[in-house]
Amino acid sequence: DARVTQTPRHKVTEMGQEVTMRCQPILGHNTVFWYRQTMMQGLELLAYFRNRAPLDDSGMPKDRFSAEMPDATLATLKIQPSEPRDSAVYFCASGPTDRGSGELFFGEGSRLTVL
Amino acid sequence: DAKTTQPPSMDCAEGRAANLPCNHSTISGNEYVYWYRQIHSQGPQYIIHGLKNNETNEMASLIITEDRKSSTLILPHATLRDTAVYYCIVRGYSTLTFGKGTMLLVSP
Repeated sequence: DARVTQTPRHKVTEMGQEVTMRCQPILGHNTVFWYRQTMMQGLELLAYFRNRAPLDDSGMPKDRFSAEMPDATLATLKIQPSEPRDSAVYFCASGPTDRGSGELFFGEGSRLTVL
Repeated sequence: DAKTTQPPSMDCAEGRAANLPCNHSTISGNEYVYWYRQIHSQGPQYIIHGLKNNETNEMASLIITEDRKSSTLILPHATLRDTAVYYCIVRGYSTLTFGKGTMLLVSP
């Protein structure tokens, strides 16, 4: 089965350290999304790419977060420096289209704990 | 995207049908109704989506009212593994915006 792959699955780090999360979208999908989930805020959209170009990153704290797609098989989400409030599960999703008729496929998430 | 309203929680007995309602009174003509679910500690899973007509797949059925202002997700024979948070989302030409969803608890 084709699936979205995220690494690492779990990450524990100390405040101030750089964190990089990686996502391999499903081959052939041209849209990639990063979401963050916490108990308080639920699922929040951080960034959205179409054909590797960033279309919307308004949900992302710009001073410390950055999202890129170096190529069609890799999306990265970087936090530098990390803070305890960044502790959350980060999900990547990909889809064949960003039109209303296209479903998104989610990865299993990267659980980040910042001490 | 239009906003949706769902009950925070529902219970269902194993083997019975689970009917999960969703209100989306401000839906636009080109917006689809999507349902996802999230089982504890997993990523959201696509269930079904529709525009105007009722839809059915191997997981569930989606009933959309004629005025499209509400819909119901039906799990015909709920099992314990269907215990999850179910999200109703209205999506146009944009991203998926998740609300708080309905926590469905299926009991023996």
